[in-house]
Amino acid sequence: EAGVTQSPTHLIKTRGQQVTLRCSPISGHTSVYWYQQALGLGLQFLLWYDEGEERNRGNFPPRFSGRQFPNYSSELNVNALELEDSALYLCASSRDNTDTQYFGPGTRLTVL
Amino acid sequence: AQTVTQSQPEMSVQEAETVTLSCTYDTSESNYYLFWYKQPPSRQMILVIRQEAYKQQNATENRFSVNFQKAAKSFSLKISDSQLGDTAMYFCALLNNAGNMLTFGGGTRLMVKP
Repeated sequence: EAGVTQSPTHLIKTRGQQVTLRCSPISGHTSVYWYQQALGLGLQFLLWYDEGEERNRGNFPPRFSGRQFPNYSSELNVNALELEDSALYLCASSRDNTDTQYFGPGTRLTVL
Repeated sequence: AQTVTQSQPEMSVQEAETVTLSCTYDTSESNYYLFWYKQPPSRQMILVIRQEAYKQQNATENRFSVNFQKAAKSFSLKISDSQLGDTAMYFCALLNNAGNMLTFGGGTRLMVKP
C-alpha cells in the first residue's frame, strides 16, 4: 500500500511570491493534515481537512490556505511569501479523528 | 491548550544498550492519544508507537516500549538493543478529539554509537 506522497520535494521562491504544495493521502484515508516544521520553532499544526471541508486551523495568517479535492488529495497555498515561511511542510493523513496520522516525506520550501 | 515537553534535547547510547526518552504532557481532555514519532536525517516522520489514554497497559512494538503514567502525565519511550538505524530525532506527540491536531514536543536527538 502506498504511503502519503507530497510534491514537489524542494522549492525555492522569492519573497512576495506564491506557492502551492500538494499531498495525496493513503488510500482509504479521508482526513489530511498540514504541519510546518521551521528551524527553531518545532512542528506546528497548520490545517486539517476532512471530506472536503476545512475542520480546524492553527495559529497561522490567512495567507496560508488550502483545499481538499473529491479524491481526498489536498493543496496548501501560501501567498505573499515571507522569509520566515522557509520550512519543511509535512502532510499527514488518517482514516478518522482517532486514527494515527501517517506522514509524507515533506516539501522543503526555501524563501529568498 | 495542551502542551508536550521533552526535557532531553540530545542523548546518546551505545549500540545494543537500552535508552529511555522522557516526555511529559498537559491536557484537560479525558480522552486522548499519545505517540512517539521518529524523524531520521531523511526527514520522513515515522510512527514508532501509539498509546490510548484509556488503556492501562503500556504499548510495546518490538524493541520499543512505553511507560505511560497517566496521573503524572508522563509518557517515556524505552528503546532496547539500540541499533545504528535508531539514530534520529524522536518526537513525542499528543492527539485529542477536540481539534484533531497533533501537539508535538520539541524533540530529542538520539545518537546510537557503534
